Amino acid sequence: DAGVIQSPRHEVTEMGQEVTLRCKPISGHNSLFWYRQTMMRGLELLIYFNNNVPIDDSGMPEDRFSAKMPNASFSTLKIQPSEPRDSAVYFCASSLKGTDTQYFGPGTRLTVL
Amino acid sequence: GENVEQHPSTLSVQEGDSAVIKCTYSDSASNYFPWYKQELGKRPQLIIDIRSNVGEKKDQRIAVTLNKTAKHFSLHITETQPEDSAVYFCAASNDDYKLSFGAGTTVTVRA
Repeated sequence: DAGVIQSPRHEVTEMGQEVTLRCKPISGHNSLFWYRQTMMRGLELLIYFNNNVPIDDSGMPEDRFSAKMPNASFSTLKIQPSEPRDSAVYFCASSLKGTDTQYFGPGTRLTVL
Repeated sequence: GENVEQHPSTLSVQEGDSAVIKCTYSDSASNYFPWYKQELGKRPQLIIDIRSNVGEKKDQRIAVTLNKTAKHFSLHITETQPEDSAVYFCAASNDDYKLSFGAGTTVTVRA
């Protein structure tokens, strides 16, 4: 299995631009998680999907952040407009079901100038 | 919600010695405790996990112990090697999807 796939691996953008991060979970996994990692705040859960339905988005920082999962094999995290404080590594993870082991993707390193 | 505290924040050990990282949790309902290893610039990867129905689990040089009464769990790495250098995160979950992570421990193994 290829594992969780994320793209792009690196993204540099200017403040105010729209950013879209993409994730393909492991085939057969029905739970998907988006995390943000920074030195100051560590690993934070942004949103959790189960069977393509958002279950918990309480970690989404503000309305500038949105996430979708149109089907079982694809999810996006969008930031519009982006701000310098959004600079972080964004990880996608998936699990067979919500309570099982979470497998992380390689992450997207986002830099907002 | 769950609060997980992890100590120490940094740990330097001589190659061949043991390393111990400790975590405490606040929610007595928590019953799943994974440990992740993250090398520089890489993804967090699960190295071992334990559920609350056992007190200890071992996998080669790695072991995890759990004390439910005291609400703490520990990671033990024996015979450390340079490739063990990384950041280690503990986490806790109460049988739902939400993992609460500790702040991480940076382990450096000196050759």
